[in-house]
Amino acid sequence: AAGVIQSPRHLIKEKRETATLKCYPIPRHDTVYWYQQGPGQDPQFLISFYEKMQSDKGSIPDRFSAQQFSDYHSELNMSSLELGDSALYFCASSLSPGANYGYTFGSGTRLTVV
Amino acid sequence: LAKTTQPISMDSYEGQEVNITCSHNNIATNDYITWYQQFPSQGPRFIIQGYKTKVTNEVASLFIPADRKSSTLSLPRVSLSDTAVYYCLVGDMSGGYQKVTFGTGTKLQVIP
Repeated sequence: AAGVIQSPRHLIKEKRETATLKCYPIPRHDTVYWYQQGPGQDPQFLISFYEKMQSDKGSIPDRFSAQQFSDYHSELNMSSLELGDSALYFCASSLSPGANYGYTFGSGTRLTVV
Repeated sequence: LAKTTQPISMDSYEGQEVNITCSHNNIATNDYITWYQQFPSQGPRFIIQGYKTKVTNEVASLFIPADRKSSTLSLPRVSLSDTAVYYCLVGDMSGGYQKVTFGTGTKLQVIP
């Protein structure tokens, strides 16, 4: 069965650089969520999209932006990277907004800022 | 906000049944309760979801009392491979769209 695909799996960037993370949801899933998980931390909600529109916003820094495209894939753009941005970034998708339908998570992108 | 509270950690021996309880006093009428399992450096994986009473699937059971202010995930006969962090999530209706907030999960350590 198709799963949520994230790319790249690993990314190393220097401070002040820019990074772009990509997420391809399960086919026919119209909602995408982004989470950040620091070392030893619980996942923190960043932002979500439903039908290509931003549906909710969590603790996402102003240096980060995201969008969902016409094919429902999503990209998380991170600028002026800081050491503290080093984390696992997960994308999840669902059939419609909310936990009531269950989320499917991708394997994540591990971002290391040096 | 529907906030959840779980024990930070639990230990269990192989072959035992494990019950992890989650409190969610502010659960909304339309909210469902969903449990996820997460292994290190992997994305959380859906285990089970329920609204009330009892739900059972091939890997777990979920017990929800009538007031829905708590729920219990039951894992029968755990094995070493069940060592993971378990998260209880409740749908959050704030802002008109649901978002799901992870609380502090329960780190389950299965001992041989």
